[in-house]
Amino acid sequence: NAGVTQTPKFRVLKTGQSMTLLCAQDMNHEYMYWYRQDPGMGLRLIHYSVGEGTTAKGEVPDGYNVSRLKKQNFLLGLESAAPSQTSVYFCASREPATPEQYFGPGTRLTVT
Amino acid sequence: AQSVTQLDSHVSVSEGTPVLLRCNYSSSYSPSLFWYVQHPNKGLQLLLKYTSAATLVKGINGFEAEFKKSETSFHLTKPSAHMSDAAEYFCVVSDIMTGTASKLTFGTGTRLQVTL
Repeated sequence: NAGVTQTPKFRVLKTGQSMTLLCAQDMNHEYMYWYRQDPGMGLRLIHYSVGEGTTAKGEVPDGYNVSRLKKQNFLLGLESAAPSQTSVYFCASREPATPEQYFGPGTRLTVT
Repeated sequence: AQSVTQLDSHVSVSEGTPVLLRCNYSSSYSPSLFWYVQHPNKGLQLLLKYTSAATLVKGINGFEAEFKKSETSFHLTKPSAHMSDAAEYFCVVSDIMTGTASKLTFGTGTRLQVTL
């Protein structure tokens, strides 16, 4: 059981480039989340999804888009990367019946 | 609205001595509370959770936390620190337990250092 996996693990982008981060979970969880982690700020919610084909904005959604075409996958897109998006990105998932979330290992993104 | 305050950004203890990481929360509803641990360059692992059952919650690796509603606190403790406990610890609150997106609010983290 792999749990929650994220690809890639590291990425360096130039300002203005685009990329997609992939999150996959094999626990058949209904809900999925994308967070960013910045020093001294804990984790902040970017977008989330309560089921296949649905997405919603979190606390810091600007500059990001998401898609949930399959239940097990949740994609985070950056259309035009900015240095302010340099961060560590975490994906998480959970079942509706329990509040705790299960996290992936993270993607470290640097935008120069 | 909900919020979490971790009272110490950095705690240093000697191996074999007790650990206390402090957390206060604010919540409009009966909260669910969690402690997560993050080892360097790793993801977040759930240590323990409180969901309105017993107020003293036991977690993995000998950690426990006590929910005190009157003090709005959920401090994390361990009787004897081990070198492998060195990590970042996050206190987290969730307002609504089931059936909704149940967004988590994270504290800013406490870095635990364990010395010989």
